[in-house]
Amino acid sequence: EDKVVQSPLSLVVHEGDTVTLNCSYEVTNFRSLLWYKQEKKAPTFLFMLTSSGIEKKSGRLSSILDKKELFSILNITATQTGDSAVYLCAVFRATTDSWGKLQFGAGTQVVVTP
Amino acid sequence: NAGVTQTPKFQVLKTGQSMTLQCAQDMNHNSMYWYRQDPGMGLRLIYYSASEGTTDKGEVPNGYNVSRLNKREFSLRLESAAPSQTSVYFCASSQRPHSSTDTQYFGPGTRLTVL
Repeated sequence: EDKVVQSPLSLVVHEGDTVTLNCSYEVTNFRSLLWYKQEKKAPTFLFMLTSSGIEKKSGRLSSILDKKELFSILNITATQTGDSAVYLCAVFRATTDSWGKLQFGAGTQVVVTP
Repeated sequence: NAGVTQTPKFQVLKTGQSMTLQCAQDMNHNSMYWYRQDPGMGLRLIYYSASEGTTDKGEVPNGYNVSRLNKREFSLRLESAAPSQTSVYFCASSQRPHSSTDTQYFGPGTRLTVL
């Protein structure tokens, strides 16, 4: 059965700390992995990863994919209270009827305290 | 440019009542999607519309129907609501269907409670 597993489920850190979020997957016909940030409302897109070992960065956030070990990590450095959110990992897989679909993990809730 | 909009934001229904969730996007996207989000289960696809005039079932379609009214609008209908349908519903859109390199953009969600 295809699955996307995120860890930890939740964590609390102090402002300025570095956070590392994990996403492991077992899906057939993997195509890409996406990270979203969800702050109470709509998930907003962060990164899309398709190739192993190539780090993507956006400000204090960065992410990398390992297609051999089937996981991705999302790093947040120098955390701020505005980073408090649920971080969702999703894997895009192609299906037998030519439809590709996103399969989401349950998310990691990050709380950054002042 | 509002992106993806959803109405209503909140709704409380009694078991057996019906309602329609509305979704519209102004990004001229071809594909639209309905997801539900439940605690500990992530987002699960209910129905999708790859392009105007087509709709297909996702992972959890039972108890729902959809209508792609035009390119902009995609509605989700609950004909006879059940407590198991208590959830947060998200609409999303993307430019191309079936694309592994295309980002989906999400609406703000509708929190539905069925008593």
